[in-house]
Amino acid sequence: AQKVTQAQTEISVVEKEDVTLDCVYETRDTTYYLFWYKQPPSGELVFLIRRNSFDEQNEISGRYSWNFQKSTSSFNFTITASQVVDSAVYFCALSPNSGYSTLTFGKGTMLLVSP
Amino acid sequence: DTGVSQDPRHKITKRGQNVTFRCDPISEHNRLYWYRQTLGQGPEFLTYFQNEAQLEKSRLLSDRFSAERPKGSFSTLEIQRTEQGDSAMYLCASSSFQGGDTQYFGPGTRLTVL
Repeated sequence: AQKVTQAQTEISVVEKEDVTLDCVYETRDTTYYLFWYKQPPSGELVFLIRRNSFDEQNEISGRYSWNFQKSTSSFNFTITASQVVDSAVYFCALSPNSGYSTLTFGKGTMLLVSP
Repeated sequence: DTGVSQDPRHKITKRGQNVTFRCDPISEHNRLYWYRQTLGQGPEFLTYFQNEAQLEKSRLLSDRFSAERPKGSFSTLEIQRTEQGDSAMYLCASSSFQGGDTQYFGPGTRLTVL
């Protein structure tokens, strides 16, 4: 069985602070994919990143960075210099590397960035 | 590139009524997924289509739920004899093998059962 745990239910920061969202996963698969999605108040899930389990390199995209550590089964997401527009619920998700890829989501972390 | 669209965006119905939702995937995507999201939770998988074939259904999908994808294009999700516990956001996503199977989501249909 697959499981994704996002222990932080809600995080509040002030604009320009850095913030890290934690994600811990469980899977028996040797190959798998990890994802982060953003869900703003409008409700639509926005894809942010996909990471193959073979690729443990960290990734940076603008103010966003992701730290994948297979040894601790974690895939953490950091926003540098947060902005009000970053306020949203962020979901970490896991899928098997099989012929199709149903996603198992965590419960999400609500990020509130105040001016 | 047109994204995934869903219709309607909101639906309010009375308990016992039938409802039907529609999802139009990204045009070149052959895989289509339905998820359900309740308040404070992450989306949960309901069912999956590859082209017109429904390949997997979750145990969450009771016999009151049925999904179709005729001709492998748009999909419909019907809930018969709705119950208050069916109130949720119903999300559709699509993907393609060529695109690495990354799922792109639509805006969702929010169902409220009174």
